[in-house]
Amino acid sequence: KAGVTQTPRYLIKTRGQQVTLSCSPISGHRSVSWYQQTPGQGLQFLFEYFSETQRNKGNFPGRFSGRQFSNSRSEMNVSTLELGDSALYLCASGPGQPSTEAFFGQGTRLTVV
Amino acid sequence: AQSVTQPDIHITVSEGASLELRCNYSYGATPYLFWYVQSPGQGLQLLLKYFSGDTLVQGIKGFEAEFKRSQSSFNLRKPSVHWSDAAEYFCAVGAKTSYDKVIFGPGTSLSVIP
Repeated sequence: KAGVTQTPRYLIKTRGQQVTLSCSPISGHRSVSWYQQTPGQGLQFLFEYFSETQRNKGNFPGRFSGRQFSNSRSEMNVSTLELGDSALYLCASGPGQPSTEAFFGQGTRLTVV
Repeated sequence: AQSVTQPDIHITVSEGASLELRCNYSYGATPYLFWYVQSPGQGLQLLLKYFSGDTLVQGIKGFEAEFKRSQSSFNLRKPSVHWSDAAEYFCAVGAKTSYDKVIFGPGTSLSVIP
């Protein structure tokens, strides 16, 4: 069974631009969560989707948004990028909702210059 | 609200020595508990999990953890550390209701001295 796949693995963007990250969950998993990981703040929860509906949202500005498609694949979008958005963005999928367990992808390393 | 603390930011042990990483949680009921390991630049790999039942759980790579309700703790242990165990370790509390989410502790960085 394939694991969680995140694309792209690395991304360099300029301040002010927007970016879209993609996550394909494990086959059969309907829950997808997104986390931002930085050295200073650790792993911070962004949002969780289940069956195309946002179930939970973390404490991030409205520039961060996401969605989930009918095949459970998910995207997250960050608009008007700031230098502080540079981070490893991790996606995790789970078999159900609530997210009793999380299986992680390798992440997308976003660098904002 | 859920919360997780890992009191040790960084731990250094000698190869072959025993290891214990501490984790304390706050949750209104018996939680789901997890330990994850992360190598540099990689995602998180699940080491072990506790849902219910036996409070001593075995995981991969020779790790085990013990759930102690009275102390709200879920400490990770390994009897003999290998150099390849050097990584970041995260304790997490899982969600039992639709209003919860998986919450991670700040992590403990483990260094192993040859």
